[in-house]
Order: sequence, then structure tokens, then C-alpha cells
Amino acid sequence: GAVVSQHPSWVICKSGTSVKIECRSLDFQATTMFWYRQFPKQSLMLMATSNEGSKATYEQGVEKDKFLINHASLTLSTLTVTSAHPEDSSFYICSANPRQGSTDTQYFGPGTRLTVL
Amino acid sequence: SQQGEEDPQALSIQEGENATMNCSYKTSINNLQWYRQNSGRGLVHLILIRSNEREKHSGRLRVTLDTSKKSSSLLITASRAADTASYFCAAVSGTYKYIFGTGTRLKVLA
Repeated sequence: GAVVSQHPSWVICKSGTSVKIECRSLDFQATTMFWYRQFPKQSLMLMATSNEGSKATYEQGVEKDKFLINHASLTLSTLTVTSAHPEDSSFYICSANPRQGSTDTQYFGPGTRLTVL
Repeated sequence: SQQGEEDPQALSIQEGENATMNCSYKTSINNLQWYRQNSGRGLVHLILIRSNEREKHSGRLRVTLDTSKKSSSLLITASRAADTASYFCAAVSGTYKYIFGTGTRLKVLA
């Protein structure tokens, strides 16, 4: 089956630093990838939709200058948390849609746990 | 917020019993999906039901969908300790946005 990987699986950083999280579709091309954030014991909240070769679309309330998304190729999207603060500590999950126009299948990565000290 | 709601928030049952969790959503959908998440891990896809379907079965799982009420339910029969996890519904719209419900934390006691 289709596999989506994330790297790193966990990261600890100091307040004020920037952290980059990678999301890769390993055996398929993804024109669209999605980034979610999940706080402890809460649900996944969609942050942004990443489209290959174009600007990401951010959900209301998500700061685009703080959460930089780059979808440079059909298999890679990156999320950079800039000037991270403790309140950015969360579980970040990406997903990839293998075929444009299909809502049936979206493959989720294993998540990245970010802890900001 | 477009986020769906699930109830109960938490459910504790004995092994062998059935578990039912409900999901309500706010948008029109193409399909609705259910996922399981073990603590601190990624999502595992369980089952998908399309907007023109009313009921679907997969192994010990039974899903119903009522688009007029914008609600769905997931029934897990003959539960096992390994079913202990959080369960989320995801309402999927034509723009392939997945709007997740608030989740139900299921604990199955051996």
C-alpha cells in the first residue's frame, strides 16, 4: 500500500529556533498534501493544504508566516515552524492525496512530535 | 468551527462487549471515514462510507451514515483489549478536505 513518511519522528528545540518537518510520499506522486496539528487528547486540525508548484492554502487562524510550507516536488512537502515557542509544541501530521480529484484515499504519515523548550 | 463532534468523549467497556461511537458533522460530504489512533501514533484507516450509502460492514466494524441528520456511527462488535485507542471520524468534502471529529477514547478492559 501507499506509504507516507515523516522526518523527524520527534524533535526537541529551544524557543526561538526554527524547525523543518518533511513529509514524503514514498511510492506515489502527490499533487496535494495536507498538514494537521494535534494537541494532546484532541483531534486533528487542518492547518494548510500544500499544492505542488504553488502557494499553500492556509486555514483560518493559521499564521502563514509562522508555518512555512513548501511543496517543491510531487513527493515532498515541508513544514517549517519559524521562531518556535512552547505553545507550538504539538503533534504534526501530514497526509498525501495520490490522485487529483479523488477524495477516497488520503494517506497519513506517522506524525512528528515537536517539543519546544 | 467546522469541526465535527463525537460522543461519547470517552468509553470504557469490558472485553467482548460492543462499542458504539457517534459522529456529527457540519458540511456536505462525498464520504465519511473512520480512523483509529493509538496513543502518540499515526492514524490507521478503518472504513469509508460514501454519501449515497447508509450502512457498511468490515469484519467487526459496522458503520452507518445518515446524511439528512449529518451523522454517522461506528459499532465495534466483540471488542478486544487491542481495540483500546482513540477513534476519529473524518467528513470528506468535494475539495478533499478532511474535517475530523473530536474523537472518542475507547478503553477495553481485559
